[in-house]
Amino acid sequence: IAGITQAPTSQILAAGRRMTLRCTQDMRHNAMYWYRQDLGLGLRLIHYSNTAGTTGKGEVPDGYSVSRANTDDFPLTLASAVPSQTSVYFCASSWTSGNEQFFGPGTRLTVL
Amino acid sequence: GNSVTQMEGPVTLSEEAFLTINCTYTATGYPSLFWYVQYPGEGLQLLLKATKADDKGSNKGFEATYRKETTSFHLEKGSVQVSDSAVYFCALAGFQKLVFGTGTRLLVSP
Repeated sequence: IAGITQAPTSQILAAGRRMTLRCTQDMRHNAMYWYRQDLGLGLRLIHYSNTAGTTGKGEVPDGYSVSRANTDDFPLTLASAVPSQTSVYFCASSWTSGNEQFFGPGTRLTVL
Repeated sequence: GNSVTQMEGPVTLSEEAFLTINCTYTATGYPSLFWYVQYPGEGLQLLLKATKADDKGSNKGFEATYRKETTSFHLEKGSVQVSDSAVYFCALAGFQKLVFGTGTRLLVSP
């Protein structure tokens, strides 16, 4: 079934630990995105990639890094997690940047 | 820069009531506009879209018309159901990304 998968579904993490959130799409979309969703703040863009091999910073990139080695995968890494990174993280993709986006089911991350 | 403003929620309605969720935008040019819906515990799903002025997007009984004169894209439904309870996000296509509003929660009671 075509779509976007994210892993893990949820995670509890100790502060200071490194964590990678996985995202894979099988729609051959060029662009991919990472958002965080916090109550009352809507969706905020963390990082994006317009095509494999390129990445860019969104509104709230600090503390996060991404890579785009191929079309399908777009992992998000927290090098040293802090409690303020407790959030729900959504991965999304689109044919090209600026078009309608398709979202994954999300990863609920809690940093203690 | 580009921005989207939505009415604050929650919007509380009885089943079969008429729904309007207001959305206005600020943008350079005439970007594509979208409404997304998020059901509890799920990701966002595209509900409808409009790509140019005066276009009407529609899906599942929801409608929204792209009004460039008022820079608006209000979401409407003639008769809501309990299953429509969700958070609704208005968005516009900016440069290299979508710009989202903060979301409006809709609660429909039987």
